[in-house]
Amino acid sequence: AQTVTQSQPEMSVQEAETVTLSCTYDTSESDYYLFWYKQPPSRQMILVIRQEAYKQQNATENRFSVNFQKAAKSFSLKISDSQLGDAAMYFCAYRSANDMRFGAGTRLTVKP
Amino acid sequence: GAVVSQHPSWVICKSGTSVKIECRSLDFQATTMFWYRQFPKQSLMLMATSNEGSKATYEQGVEKDKFLINHASLTLSTLTVTSAHPEDSSFYICSARKDGSNNSPLHFGNGTRLTVT
Repeated sequence: AQTVTQSQPEMSVQEAETVTLSCTYDTSESDYYLFWYKQPPSRQMILVIRQEAYKQQNATENRFSVNFQKAAKSFSLKISDSQLGDAAMYFCAYRSANDMRFGAGTRLTVKP
Repeated sequence: GAVVSQHPSWVICKSGTSVKIECRSLDFQATTMFWYRQFPKQSLMLMATSNEGSKATYEQGVEKDKFLINHASLTLSTLTVTSAHPEDSSFYICSARKDGSNNSPLHFGNGTRLTVT
């Protein structure tokens, strides 16, 4: 069965610095997508970044980038130049054709 | 660990029929459950907050008469898509909190892929 593991329940970063959130997953499928979602207090799930498993190049979106290691089944999120507005819960997610799994989440605190 | 079971994992229905999706917290009680819908480009939209024993709170733009939510017990919330249309085809996901605190973690179901033909 597919599982997604986020081993860091909480992380803290100083404003303007860089932080990396970890995510590992387990699957036997070859075709899948990986996502990082940000959940602010509003409880909406905001897509931060996504990665197609067949792409070797790591996805980037402005200050957000991933380190996708397919063989190791690792998908970490790096946030550069952290801002106060980055404070939120971050969920790593895996999706295949008929299945979607989420990690337990990492609560990110940004210190001014 | 806390487990949320969502059923069915996938369903195909004809246009005009209704489909019920169940979300169960298997080993904990959840006074609050959340229903999300995944749109193209993979964004995940909060549809409604399901509250045990009371009416659900719907997000702006979500038709409450079309997406009926019933949270009859502390372990079960259901989402019924009424008079389904092809544009309702999507991935629906539920989540639940283990206790009433906003700081407690969310536990997600595995999602339901709905296809309306």
